[in-house]
Amino acid sequence: DTGVSQDPRHKITKRGQNVTFRCDPISEHNRLYWYRQTLGQGPEFLTYFQNEAQLEKSRLLSDRFSAERPKGSFSTLEIQRTEQGDSAMYLCASSPRVAISPLGNTIYFGEGSWLTVV
Amino acid sequence: QQQVKQSPQSLIVQKGGISIINCAYENTAFDYFPWYQQFPGKGPALLIAIRPDVSEKKEGRFTISFNKSAKQFSLHIMDSQPGDSATYFCAASRYSGGSNYKLTFGKGTLLTVNP
Repeated sequence: DTGVSQDPRHKITKRGQNVTFRCDPISEHNRLYWYRQTLGQGPEFLTYFQNEAQLEKSRLLSDRFSAERPKGSFSTLEIQRTEQGDSAMYLCASSPRVAISPLGNTIYFGEGSWLTVV
Repeated sequence: QQQVKQSPQSLIVQKGGISIINCAYENTAFDYFPWYQQFPGKGPALLIAIRPDVSEKKEGRFTISFNKSAKQFSLHIMDSQPGDSATYFCAASRYSGGSNYKLTFGKGTLLTVNP
């Protein structure tokens, strides 16, 4: 169990460029989530996959954002025509299929991908 | 609309002291309340969590106190250590289908424990 892996860890891009982040969840975790965190704020929910199905998207996910999980394993988050307001840390998380405690599934976060739009 | 309000924004405690962080929520449908710990450059890590059918949960030096009628919950860190210095986030969600996926986070508390 190597944890949730995110790549790249840091990305600096010019405004208007497209960027893509990759997330590899913990193996056998069927649920995968994307959150966004800006400085001084808590993470904000963006979207959620169960296997390959994208079950929910936040209103924060504008039409410039697209997330995929084509085979129910790794996921990508693409941001098109980046804006300075997109600068943030993008967090991926995963949780297992079966609840392992009465509290429900523990959600494990990766170390995040920092995006700076200049 | 901020559904989970966290205070204080920052906290300085001496080694061995008690750190107390408070959160209040608005959505009465929330029924899962975790606390996450985040070190610089790292993702949040689950510390402890509680459901509203109990008023207190303790794990080692960490205790959650929960007041359902007041819609408030707090994290107490006993015998605080310099290694506890981190940002702490409270969160809340509605338990759904076995996965508390849509966590709503507070803004965080930066805890500094002086040696």
